[in-house]
Amino acid sequence: DAKTTQPNSMESNEEEPVHLPCNHSTISGTDYIHWYRQLPSQGPEYVIHGLTSNVNNRMASLAIAEDRKSSTLILHRATLRDAAVYYCILFGSGGGADGLTFGKGTHLIIQP
Amino acid sequence: EADIYQTPRYLVIGTGKKITLECSQTMGHDKMYWYQQDPGMELHLIHYSYGVNSTEKGDLSSESTVSRIRTEHFPLTLESARPSHTSQYLCASSEHGRDTEAFFGQGTRLTVV
Repeated sequence: DAKTTQPNSMESNEEEPVHLPCNHSTISGTDYIHWYRQLPSQGPEYVIHGLTSNVNNRMASLAIAEDRKSSTLILHRATLRDAAVYYCILFGSGGGADGLTFGKGTHLIIQP
Repeated sequence: EADIYQTPRYLVIGTGKKITLECSQTMGHDKMYWYQQDPGMELHLIHYSYGVNSTEKGDLSSESTVSRIRTEHFPLTLESARPSHTSQYLCASSEHGRDTEAFFGQGTRLTVV
């Protein structure tokens, strides 16, 4: 399965935008880029996903590089409730189990 | 809001006991998954299913077993619990395909003493 690389942790201030980077240099043409987050003591929660074009939803925006080797999750105005571990996942037709493969993710800390 | 439920939320049980963790979803999803997560660590896929009567092992080897007799129900069973099985178990479901989101339950935190 194609792998992703994310910073272990990031810190931001409340009510400011947050840009969470993800590198996926071995992405294949059919891999979708998914983002999930996991709040403390909860199961993961879907945030957003995309293939080639940038995507927006009520939670966040996903900016995908033109060569698709990297992407950025954008939280436009962080709140304390956005403090979580954010996972960037490639979901494709690679070998192995047909499920989402989670890495270590980025631990996002929001300062009041 | 996700319609996927796991019971119990917490379970403390003695070594050697048989346990079944329940997972149900009301979204009619064909695909269901079980993940295992130790505190502060990443999630590992241990079982998944494409639909009724389909079960597959995931990336992480597990002594647990699963069954899928009904679309909405995907229970996980440990025949003889051991302290090494202490972990959080998370169930998820989704429609088929990669252009779709997965919904996760709240998890069952299992402690075997």
